[in-house]
Amino acid sequence: DVQLVESGGGLVQPGGSLRLSCAASGFTISSDYMSWVRQAPGKGLEWVSIIYTGGNTYYADSVKGRFTISRDNSKNTVYLQMNSLRAEDTAVYYCARDRPTNWLDPWGQGTLVTVSS
Amino acid sequence: SYVLTQPPSVSVAPGETAKITCAGNNIGSKSVHWYQQKPGQAPVLVVYDDSDRPSGIPERFSGSNSGNTATLTITRVEAGDEADYYCQVWDSSSDHRVFGGGTKLTVL
Repeated sequence: DVQLVESGGGLVQPGGSLRLSCAASGFTISSDYMSWVRQAPGKGLEWVSIIYTGGNTYYADSVKGRFTISRDNSKNTVYLQMNSLRAEDTAVYYCARDRPTNWLDPWGQGTLVTVSS
Repeated sequence: SYVLTQPPSVSVAPGETAKITCAGNNIGSKSVHWYQQKPGQAPVLVVYDDSDRPSGIPERFSGSNSGNTATLTITRVEAGDEADYYCQVWDSSSDHRVFGGGTKLTVL
């Protein structure tokens, strides 16, 4: 069964850092694209970042230069390193497998990041 | 950057047909995907590549895409279909995935 489980969320002060993890099972992340998507409280979905099988990465303008996506194939896990966090980064962060014509399936259950002093 | 526009809300009576639109410049040239999100849950893919359904999604869910508008159609709407629905495309110019703002489907 294909499954994604996120972890690493929590409360962090503005300007702080956090690293999210997304552990995959039932498939090999090295053979797939992987994306992060976030959802601020009461708001819609916002795509954050993608890592391609070849290692290329892309970011939403709102996080470029502050967030870094990476993967550890040996652990079948994708990461999102978040630096210089701001209040507006407060959201539930989901990881998702990014399919050939760029649909996202499945999604993890999400992990909540709260940026507040 | 590419923008997708959805109506904030759609209301329909049980048993009727709901149509949720997603507008974008020449969206008909792109592959459109649709997600259902119920409160407190992660999004679930209900339609991909304009009109294909993942396994386990009822035939009541269908999609179409032409010109500047893509549409998710839900026939014989049930109370359990009440949720937020999002459309999504790939913007090739930026290599970004783009979501619409979401539509809240209310079953009256």
